[in-house]
Amino acid sequence: DTGVSQNPRHKITKRGQNVTFRCDPISEHNRLYWYRQTLGQGPEFLTYFQNEAQLEKSRLLSDRFSAERPKGSFSTLEIQRTEQGDSAMYLCASSAGTESNQPQHFGDGTRLSIL
Amino acid sequence: SQKIEQNSEALNIQEGKTATLTCNYTNYSPAYLQWYRQDPGRGPVFLLLIRENEKEKRKERLKVTFDTTLKQSLFHITASQPADSATYLCASHNAGNNRKLIWGLGTSLAVNP
Repeated sequence: DTGVSQNPRHKITKRGQNVTFRCDPISEHNRLYWYRQTLGQGPEFLTYFQNEAQLEKSRLLSDRFSAERPKGSFSTLEIQRTEQGDSAMYLCASSAGTESNQPQHFGDGTRLSIL
Repeated sequence: SQKIEQNSEALNIQEGKTATLTCNYTNYSPAYLQWYRQDPGRGPVFLLLIRENEKEKRKERLKVTFDTTLKQSLFHITASQPADSATYLCASHNAGNNRKLIWGLGTSLAVNP
């Protein structure tokens, strides 16, 4: 299967700990997105990469959140000093080309639970 | 502010009937709308894209319409099956920022056998 892969699928941690999630996009896709989704809500944009460049970061994202895509392939999302409100599903998506209307291909997410 | 709104009430229909889901947009004119399906615990899956100059798009049992006068897109599933039960999300680009999508909350569809 050459779809978007996210690891881990589930993460349970205590408040105050740091967590890191990984996303492996579809290999030929140059665009990569991170979203956060809570129950009953649509995906909420967090950040966007075109190749290795992080072109946008949501103002909703605090300084505790950071994302990288060092070689323009896989990406990591780190949350430092986790808080209860960080509990959510974190989704990664990738898309091809330069047009913004290209369909996004999602992974199955990492579900984060903060104790 | 720009918004995409979907009917938050769950839709329950009988197998074999046509399901119709609504997506309304306000305070902007998107050049396209995308529809995705999401199953519990899974990421969204792209279904269809319709552009503003297209009145209708079809794919197998799926049909999407785009009415720029009503500022609305309708998503139809004909001959619905229990396997069509899922949450359906509508999304489009942000008018001031083509890089990201804005999403509706999704409508939950349950098809009863």
